[in-house]
Amino acid sequence: DVKVTQSSRYLVKRTGEKVFLECVQDMDHENMFWYRQDPGLGLRLIYFSYDVKMKEKGDIPEGYSVSREKKERFSLILESASTNQTSMYLCASSFSGQGVYTEAFFGQGTRLTVV
Amino acid sequence: GENVEQHPSTLSVQEGDSAVIKCTYSDSASNYFPWYKQELGKGPQLIIDIRSNVGEKKDQRIAVTLNKTAKHFSLHITETQPEDSAVYFCAAKRTSYGKLTFGQGTILTVHP
Repeated sequence: DVKVTQSSRYLVKRTGEKVFLECVQDMDHENMFWYRQDPGLGLRLIYFSYDVKMKEKGDIPEGYSVSREKKERFSLILESASTNQTSMYLCASSFSGQGVYTEAFFGQGTRLTVV
Repeated sequence: GENVEQHPSTLSVQEGDSAVIKCTYSDSASNYFPWYKQELGKGPQLIIDIRSNVGEKKDQRIAVTLNKTAKHFSLHITETQPEDSAVYFCAAKRTSYGKLTFGQGTILTVHP
């Protein structure tokens, strides 16, 4: 059974704190993604990685950074948390490859509240 | 970059009725169009997808149609059941590039 696991279901952090969201996949996928989900806005891509130590900015990277030191693990970092980063965060992974129609598998999400 | 618009934002139907959700995309190079269902407290899960060389695909009560010329695609659910109640997302991507762009989501409620 394929699995993408996010380290926390719920997090409450204070403004200005450095926050780490962790994601692990057990499918040997090359691609990993971090999305943010807000009502009425759908899923917006923050960052993605297509290989170890590789990363690309998504549509809303400001205020975030990422780290991928191992193939199975992709971390999202909020350098200095702000209240407008209160949201649901979703991690996903997929296979890579030219001409391959690859399904993205999602974790269960982390609901982050910044107070 | 790609932009995906999804309508309606909410949809309420009676059990047994059909439901239709529509999406448009902007990047003519997009050639893969998946649909995801998100149940309460869970991450999105793929329910059906369509490639650009196909106009229609069906899987039991769910079907997806694609009009490449008009750059829009739709999800059709027939004989809806209460367990179909969820948030549905459409998405688009180029197979040569891993990034998926999602629509805004549709909250579907099926009343018994």
